[in-house]
Amino acid sequence: NAGVTQTPKFQVLKTGQSMTLQCAQDMNHNSMYWYRQDPGMGLRLIYYSASEGTTDKGEVPNGYNVSRLNKREFSLRLESAAPSQTSVYFCASSPTGGYPYEQYFGPGTRLTVT
Amino acid sequence: DAKTTQPNSMESNEEEPVHLPCNHSTISGTDYIHWYRQLPSQGPEYVIHGLTSNVNNRMASLAIAEDRKSSTLILHRATLRDAAVYYCILTGANSKLTFGKGITLSVRP
Repeated sequence: NAGVTQTPKFQVLKTGQSMTLQCAQDMNHNSMYWYRQDPGMGLRLIYYSASEGTTDKGEVPNGYNVSRLNKREFSLRLESAAPSQTSVYFCASSPTGGYPYEQYFGPGTRLTVT
Repeated sequence: DAKTTQPNSMESNEEEPVHLPCNHSTISGTDYIHWYRQLPSQGPEYVIHGLTSNVNNRMASLAIAEDRKSSTLILHRATLRDAAVYYCILTGANSKLTFGKGITLSVRP
């Protein structure tokens, strides 16, 4: 099992450019999450998807959109990148059907917006 | 979600036990206590969780105070690989994780 995979690992964008961060999990988990982590800070939830076909806003959703493409894949899109979106982005997944449940994290995407 | 309070940092010696404290005085009866850790340049990984009773797994032990207002993560024999940021997180019924700054553990050889 690869667990949670993210692409790309690194990305540099210019202000105003757009891009999509990809996330996939092979653990048959229902729930998936996108977080961002700024230097010296804890992770903050951007969006999550409790199950295929549903998405909900987290703590810091402005400037982002998400798509739950299928049960395996959950993508995060920046339509018009801003320097304030320079961060490390982590995707996570978790099973549901019982509470509580642990989240499994990917290795992260390091994004710099100039 | 109820908040947690952790020291900013802690140092330990390799092969000695480490006790990482966490205060959560506003915890509700249905909140679970979770611990995650984040090694340098990696995503967080689950360590352990508990509700009322002390818990053990292959990575660590979790000691929960009788009034549940505090807990302690215990690493029985610290290794250099245990140097990381450790997050103490409470989750309610929605089970969403809210990360604070955590406690940075340094391990001396």
